[in-house]
Amino acid sequence: KNEVEQSPQNLTAQEGEFITINCSYSVGISALHWLQQHPGGGIVSLFMLSSGKKKHGRLIATINIQEKHSSLHITASHPRDSAVYICAVLRNSGYSTLTFGKGTMLLVSP
Amino acid sequence: DVKVTQSSRYLVKRTGEKVFLECVQDMDHENMFWYRQDPGLGLRLIYFSYDVKMKEKGDIPEGYSVSREKKERFSLILESASTNQTSMYLCASSFVSGDGYTFGSGTRLTVV
Repeated sequence: KNEVEQSPQNLTAQEGEFITINCSYSVGISALHWLQQHPGGGIVSLFMLSSGKKKHGRLIATINIQEKHSSLHITASHPRDSAVYICAVLRNSGYSTLTFGKGTMLLVSP
Repeated sequence: DVKVTQSSRYLVKRTGEKVFLECVQDMDHENMFWYRQDPGLGLRLIYFSYDVKMKEKGDIPEGYSVSREKKERFSLILESASTNQTSMYLCASSFVSGDGYTFGSGTRLTVV
């Protein structure tokens, strides 16, 4: 079993829809990252969370440490949001390496 | 604007060649990392470094080595490239705490 599980694997939406991507993990962590990767592009860190909730524009990320679960929400989705979204955890022991989920491929149609 | 710069966006190399992938960061980060990304497997850690001249193996170090002679530069070396090393290679850096994680834009390596 992977230490970081994301769902869904693939997601299609119509422009304007509210989108949720989920991430569950099974190890102790000090923080969780949500990353975005456009086709052929590099990876951008959207959020780094250790508790609660963060908001940036139309993006909201939440984390529940007790339940070992995080969600990324996109409000009023737009075709430019089409990308792969990756959840990655920073373990609370050892070096600051990330363990990644397999990613969620989001396609938003006009 | 803070940056992690990878020297090549695309590379094509022949089987058996020695390949160098270079990564430079300008954020004074202690940690630097090399990951590879493959469809269906996601991102996997090859090697990382937490200080100059220090290195640690990641999950898939076989067939690779690294060099960190200066704080800002971390090189990934494929000693004898093989076709199963065709992949997207991503460099990243962070502070020792894990804050400030920043990725490069990746090098797509094809070994023929």
